[in-house]
Amino acid sequence: AQSVSQHNHHVILSEAASLELGCNYSYGGTVNLFWYVQYPGQHLQLLLKYFSGDPLVKGIKGFEAEFIKSKFSFNLRKPSVQWSDTAEYFCAVNGGNAGNMLTFGGGTRLMVKP
Amino acid sequence: EAQVTQNPRYLITVTGKKLTVTCSQNMNHEYMSWYRQDPGLGLRQIYYSMNVEVTDKGDVPEGYKVSRKEKRNFPLILESPSPNQTSLYFCASSAGAYYNEQFFGPGTRLTVL
Repeated sequence: AQSVSQHNHHVILSEAASLELGCNYSYGGTVNLFWYVQYPGQHLQLLLKYFSGDPLVKGIKGFEAEFIKSKFSFNLRKPSVQWSDTAEYFCAVNGGNAGNMLTFGGGTRLMVKP
Repeated sequence: EAQVTQNPRYLITVTGKKLTVTCSQNMNHEYMSWYRQDPGLGLRQIYYSMNVEVTDKGDVPEGYKVSRKEKRNFPLILESPSPNQTSLYFCASSAGAYYNEQFFGPGTRLTVL
């Protein structure tokens, strides 16, 4: 079965620091990749997605992610975080041997100190 | 407003008492799905539906049932809830399974005593 790993479970940063959250998936075939964000007390929202083409994907709120096929990775980045970025971030994958099923990573809790 | 709604938002029940969590979307989406969210495990898919009368098991289907009699509704049924089903449940919908953003409902926090 497809699996998704997010190695950083908790991250604490100061405002203006740069952010990189890791995401690795297990299947080597064609996959679709997503990053979702869950702000405190809210439901999940899509940050960005990759299906094909340019491996550097830009999303909302200044976030971007880079798909590196050889490393099975889809890391999320932001050059300068803000206090309002405090949230939980989830990487998700579908396709490959998981077919229609969307598989989520365990999530990374980001706290940004003002 | 385009949205996914779930009811109830909070539910405390006892072991063995059947319950249903409703999910409805007003975006004419074909694909709907149920997830449970547990600390450290992220979201795990319970069941999904590609269209009316078509449902498939996700990663953790045991103890759950679903039905898709109408396009807009996708209820989650727990015939005999157990404490290990205490969790936060999310319903989601999208225009298709692969290439489309999934829109999530607000969540249902279920506690089974």
